[in-house]
Amino acid sequence: GQQVMQIPQYQHVQEGEDFTTYCNSSTTLSNIQWYKQRPGGHPVFLIQLVKSGEVKKQKRLTFQFGEAKKNSSLHITATQTTDVGTYFCAGSLTDSWGKLQFGAGTQVVVTP
Amino acid sequence: SAVISQKPSRDICQRGTSLTIQCQVDSQVTMMFWYRQQPGQSLTLIATANQGSEATYESGFVIDKFPISRPNLTFSTLTVSNMSPEDSSIYLCSVELLADPFTQYFGPGTRLTVL
Repeated sequence: GQQVMQIPQYQHVQEGEDFTTYCNSSTTLSNIQWYKQRPGGHPVFLIQLVKSGEVKKQKRLTFQFGEAKKNSSLHITATQTTDVGTYFCAGSLTDSWGKLQFGAGTQVVVTP
Repeated sequence: SAVISQKPSRDICQRGTSLTIQCQVDSQVTMMFWYRQQPGQSLTLIATANQGSEATYESGFVIDKFPISRPNLTFSTLTVSNMSPEDSSIYLCSVELLADPFTQYFGPGTRLTVL
């Protein structure tokens, strides 16, 4: 079956540094979504990417969808303490209406 | 977005008992889903809640263990039956809004501990 793999599992970042988390699917996706979950909270939708090669930015966050629609990345520049949390990618297949396959998540810890 | 509420927010239950979790949305919804998230883990889809018909379960989840109802478009319940400590987890409902398809919005979750 479809698997969505996400690396790294943990990311320790010094405040002000950049980091990237990567997401890879074994099958072509119709779209990929990114969520952020703060400690003790629930997942909050960040962005959806649909088109091959698509790049979207939200302030210090840059999201990319690969040309083959099998991989994606989230790059955060100038990390702040407010970026702490777990970032999940979630892929959707064209034949699975609404169903998302979540990656394992990248837990981000920011050191001041 | 929408306001999604879940009840209860947390509970501690004895093994062998059942707990019903409610999910209520204040906006028009197309799809509703139930997920499980074990501590420190990712989200696993339990089932898609279908309005007026039986839910669609994912591999590894069965109706006898996790009966789901969705009597109308904005309300659903998930029951965790005959609980064991392995059922200790956070249970989350999510929805796709009519106004914002293909994006899932999550409820605050129900933290279940089974003793």
